[in-house]
Amino acid sequence: KQEVTQIPAALSVPEGENLVLNCSFTDSAIYNLQWFRQDPGKGLTSLLLIQSSQREQTSGRLNASLDKSSGRSTLYIAASQPGDSATYLCAVRMDSSYKLIFGSGTRLLVRP
Amino acid sequence: DTEVTQTPKHLVMGMTNKKSLKCEQHMGHRAMYWYKQKAKKPPELMFVYSYEKLSINESVPSRFSPECPNSSLLNLHLHALQPEDSALYLCASSQEGVDGYTFGSGTRLTVV
Repeated sequence: KQEVTQIPAALSVPEGENLVLNCSFTDSAIYNLQWFRQDPGKGLTSLLLIQSSQREQTSGRLNASLDKSSGRSTLYIAASQPGDSATYLCAVRMDSSYKLIFGSGTRLLVRP
Repeated sequence: DTEVTQTPKHLVMGMTNKKSLKCEQHMGHRAMYWYKQKAKKPPELMFVYSYEKLSINESVPSRFSPECPNSSLLNLHLHALQPEDSALYLCASSQEGVDGYTFGSGTRLTVV
C-alpha cells in the first residue's frame, strides 16, 4: 500500500530565504507526482506536475525534483515571500489507478 | 477554460435536509472526482467517474450519492447527513494519459 510522507509538517522562515519541502513515497511504481498549494479553506492549486520519466520541473521560483528509485521528491522555493504562506501538498498517482494519494502536507509561514 | 467550478461555495444543512453539490468543467476531461477534506488533513478520495461511469467508490456511506449527468457535470447528492460529515468537499478532473489533476475551490459544508 502506497504511503506518502511530507517533512517537515510545519515550517516558519523569514522572507527571502530559499527553502526545501520534502515528500517521500514507499512504492516507486508511480505514474506521476503533483505538488499543490492550498490556502486556508480554499481548493488546491496545482504548482508542478512531474511525470515518472522526468527528473525535475520548474515554474518561476519553484523547482520540483523526482527520484523514483529512492521514493523522494523535493519542492524548492527560491527567495520566499509572505504570499508563499500556505499548505503545500504532494500527491502521487499510481500506474494502475486514477487515485491520487496525498501526503499530509507542509504548512509554510513566511514572515515579513 | 481551465477551471473546475463548484457551487455553492458554502452550504449549511440540517440532518433531515436533502441538498446537492455541483461541479462543472469544460476542459474535456473524462475523469471526475469527489474528495472530502477535514480540517488540517489531506483530501480523501470518495468517488471517481470515468467516461461518465462510476469506477471507484471508496466505501462511502449511501447518504452520499454521486451522479454524472454528462461529461462536463458531476453532482453529489446529500441526504440525512451527520454533523461529522461537515468538511470541505472538493471536485477535481483529469484527462487520460499524462495530465495532472485540476481541483475546484470546494464547497464548505456544515451539517447542523
